[in-house]
Amino acid sequence: ELKVEQNPLFLSMQEGKNYTIYCNYSTTSDRLYWYRQDPGKSLESLFVLLSNGAVKQEGRLMASLDTKARLSTLHITAAVHDLSATYFCAVGQETSGSRLTFGEGTQLTVNP
Amino acid sequence: DGGITQSPKYLFRKEGQNVTLSCEQNLNHDAMYWYRQDPGQGLRLIYYSQIVNDFQKGDIAEGYSVSREKKESFPLTVTSAQKNPTAFYLCASSAGTGTWNTEAFFGQGTRLTVV
Repeated sequence: ELKVEQNPLFLSMQEGKNYTIYCNYSTTSDRLYWYRQDPGKSLESLFVLLSNGAVKQEGRLMASLDTKARLSTLHITAAVHDLSATYFCAVGQETSGSRLTFGEGTQLTVNP
Repeated sequence: DGGITQSPKYLFRKEGQNVTLSCEQNLNHDAMYWYRQDPGQGLRLIYYSQIVNDFQKGDIAEGYSVSREKKESFPLTVTSAQKNPTAFYLCASSAGTGTWNTEAFFGQGTRLTVV
């Protein structure tokens, strides 16, 4: 059974600081996705990572995938308040067809 | 515009009632999903369908039912057997097993409250 674990689950940081969110998964997969959720809202797709070593960047966020370590990271550079949200990683597995397994989410709060 | 439409946005259910949540997509996606999210929690898969006229139970299917008679539509019925249905329900779709990229796209959600 595929398990996806994120850490930390809660992250409070100051504006201007850097930090990394980690997403570990338990079985082989080459498909990893990051989503953002604002309070009371739906999930918005941030990054699609489909191969080992994939790196994607958008603004102050950068995501990477290491399939050998079964690890993805979401790095935040010089955080701003607008990045406050909950971030989810999701993993796809060929044996599960199109089904994704989600991590528990990391609730990020950026303080002025 | 292509996307996923869920309705209603807010729904109130009396004890013992069945209610149906609508989910429609015009992305031509084969696969569709229903997730439940409780406050401060992650997403739990209720049911999913990889093709028309076929669906599978997810991790928390008890008390729910679905149908997939059309590619565009995947309604979820919350039955009276679901003892604690108050939650945020999210519908999603993806291209399906025929493609490698199974990125899921989400609707805006339905917030169900038992009164």
